[in-house]
Amino acid sequence: QITLKESGPTLVKPTQTLTLTCTFSGFSLSSPGVAVGWIRQPPGKALEWLGLIYWDDDKRYTPSLKNRLTISKATSHSQVVLTMTNMEPEDTGSYFCVHRPQVTTLQHFDYWGQGTLVTVSS
Amino acid sequence: EIVLTQSPGTLSLSPGERATLSCRASQSFRNTYIAWYQQQRGQAPRLLIYDTSNRATGTPARFSGSGSGTVFTLSISRVEPEDFAVYYCQHYGGSPLYSFGQGTKLEVK
Repeated sequence: QITLKESGPTLVKPTQTLTLTCTFSGFSLSSPGVAVGWIRQPPGKALEWLGLIYWDDDKRYTPSLKNRLTISKATSHSQVVLTMTNMEPEDTGSYFCVHRPQVTTLQHFDYWGQGTLVTVSS
Repeated sequence: EIVLTQSPGTLSLSPGERATLSCRASQSFRNTYIAWYQQQRGQAPRLLIYDTSNRATGTPARFSGSGSGTVFTLSISRVEPEDFAVYYCQHYGGSPLYSFGQGTKLEVK
């Protein structure tokens, strides 16, 4: 059974760097085809894809936030880390960790973490 | 950049009625990488449909997906009380690599 869970600070100050960790089980990020991504959702608003890391350590980011995002993996501990620099109040929202199916012709997110709410405020 | 526009923004129906939700892409694409998610209040989204028309594991048969080109549809044959939620469509392959629509809220009439 695949599970993912996000952890990290609930409150960050403007200009600070956010670091979130996704701890997962039920699959290996070393297996060909596997990918883990991050999606966020401001309160009452739509979902926004942030980025994805693949089993081979390739990474993709949304262009509008590319300069602020870094996704990395700690395979031995089944974790993926998201860092976002220069946080602003507009970055307030729930951040979800997601699993993309191993079959590379399937481009959706079949398992989601419960999400973690991050508030940016001084 | 492919923009997904969902309509209507809010759909008000009674249980037992048929629901039709639309997702329109700003440009046509050849792949079928359209997925639909259901989000209950306070919860993470849940995958319903992938590859335009395939039901995910656990998705009831009353849900169906269809479409091609620029117009995609999620249908619920007979809405059940647990179906009232927000629905999002998602596409893969443009810029950004994954994009979501703004959502359709299905509410009780």
